Amino acid sequence: EADIYQTPRYLVIGTGKKITLECSQTMGHDKMYWYQQDPGMELHLIHYSYGVNSTEKGDLSSESTVSRIRTEHFPLTLESARPSHTSQYLCASSAGLAGLSYNTDTQYFGPGTRLTVL
Amino acid sequence: QKEVEQDPGPLSVPEGAIVSLNCTYSNSAFQYFMWYRQYSRKGPELLMYTYSSGNKEDGRFTAQVDKSSKYISLFIRDSQPSDSATYLCAMSVLIKAAGNKLTFGGGTRVLVKP
Repeated sequence: EADIYQTPRYLVIGTGKKITLECSQTMGHDKMYWYQQDPGMELHLIHYSYGVNSTEKGDLSSESTVSRIRTEHFPLTLESARPSHTSQYLCASSAGLAGLSYNTDTQYFGPGTRLTVL
Repeated sequence: QKEVEQDPGPLSVPEGAIVSLNCTYSNSAFQYFMWYRQYSRKGPELLMYTYSSGNKEDGRFTAQVDKSSKYISLFIRDSQPSDSATYLCAMSVLIKAAGNKLTFGGGTRVLVKP
C-alpha cells in the first residue's frame, strides 16, 4: 500500500490567484514527480526531484514551480492561475534503487488534485 | 507522432470474458514496460512490469512484450466488473541508478458488464 497524499483533492479557484498543491509521502522515497493529466489523455511529467534541494523540469513545459526542502514533501505552486491550468495534477514517488543492474524504480501515485480555474 | 500509442476505447466486455489491451511504441530504446490501472478520480496503480520480451503472468493478468514489433499487450482473464477502469501502458529507458522517467500511453477505458 502506497502512502502518498495530495491535498486538496478538488480546487475551484478564480483567475489570478496563487495556489499551492501539496504532496507528501511517508515512504522515505528520494524521488518525487508531478504529472499533469487532462481527461482521456496521457500523463505528462512537468517536474521531478531526485532528492532534497533537487528539482528538474519535466517533458511538458509548465508555468508552475516546485520545491523540495524536505524528503517527504514536494509542493507545486502556481503564482497566477489561469483557465489553461485547469487539469488533474498527480504526484508520485519512487525509491530510486541506486546500484542495481535493473532499476525497477516503481512509481507510486497519489490520488490527484483536480484543479479548475474559472 | 506520439512515442506511445494506445487505443482510447471504450472497450466493453461481458463479465468473464478476456480483456485484451495493447500499446505500440516507436522508441526502440525503451526497455522497461509497465501497465497501470486507474479508477475514476484516483491515481494510477501499478499492475505489472517487465523488462524483457515474452510473457509474464500474475494471477488473472498476463503481460506480453514483443520488442521486435514494438508492441506490448495486457490480457485480463475472467474479467470482473471491478476490473472496469482505465488501463495505462507506460515505458522507459532504463538508466542505472538515476531512475527512469516514464512515457505513458493515453489509456484505454474498459467496462466489464455484469
